[in-house]
Amino acid sequence: DGGITQSPKYLFRKEGQNVTLSCEQNLNHDAMYWYRQDPGQGLRLIYYSQIVNDFQKGDIAEGYSVSREKKESFPLTVTSAQKNPTAFYLCASSPWAVPNEKLFFGSGTQLSVL
Amino acid sequence: AQSVTQLGSHVSVSEGALVLLRCNYSSSVPPYLFWYVQYPNQGLQLLLKYTTGATLVKGINGFEAEFKKSETSFHLTKPSAHMSDAAEYFCAVRNSGNTPLVFGKGTRLSVIA
Repeated sequence: DGGITQSPKYLFRKEGQNVTLSCEQNLNHDAMYWYRQDPGQGLRLIYYSQIVNDFQKGDIAEGYSVSREKKESFPLTVTSAQKNPTAFYLCASSPWAVPNEKLFFGSGTQLSVL
Repeated sequence: AQSVTQLGSHVSVSEGALVLLRCNYSSSVPPYLFWYVQYPNQGLQLLLKYTTGATLVKGINGFEAEFKKSETSFHLTKPSAHMSDAAEYFCAVRNSGNTPLVFGKGTRLSVIA
């Protein structure tokens, strides 16, 4: 079945450590997105990518980095510069330049600080 | 710029009662509007969407929403709440295919037996 796979489901970060969240899709979608979810804050866009080897910052990109070396994969690294990383992270994908097309979401990764 | 305001971070209804979740949007061009639902510790699922055409949109699980341009609103309703409707609901807007989806802050729906 086609879909988006996020791993791991739970992740713990120590002080000063970088951690990477995985996101893989087999929907052949051009666009992929990373959102951060905090209680009462809704979903805030971290980064998005329209095409391989290209990506744009969202509203809260500071302290995060991404890469898009393959169409299927869009990993997110939470760096030590992100001082408040505890949140639920959601990856999504969609066709690009199709405004009425929905986003397909993964099941999320809960990141916590030890 | 596009934005979404969801009125009420938490709504509580009795089982069998009307569900009304409010969403107002801001957009400089005709918008594409979406409602998503999220169950605990899961991703989001599409409930319904408005693109063009009929302003009353029907979605899954008995939900519907009406696009009112004059009020810049896209409120979500369901005539009779079920316990299984308890979840968080997000309204979202997009101006064009070249812009990411912008989400509201969400409304948590509780259903009381």
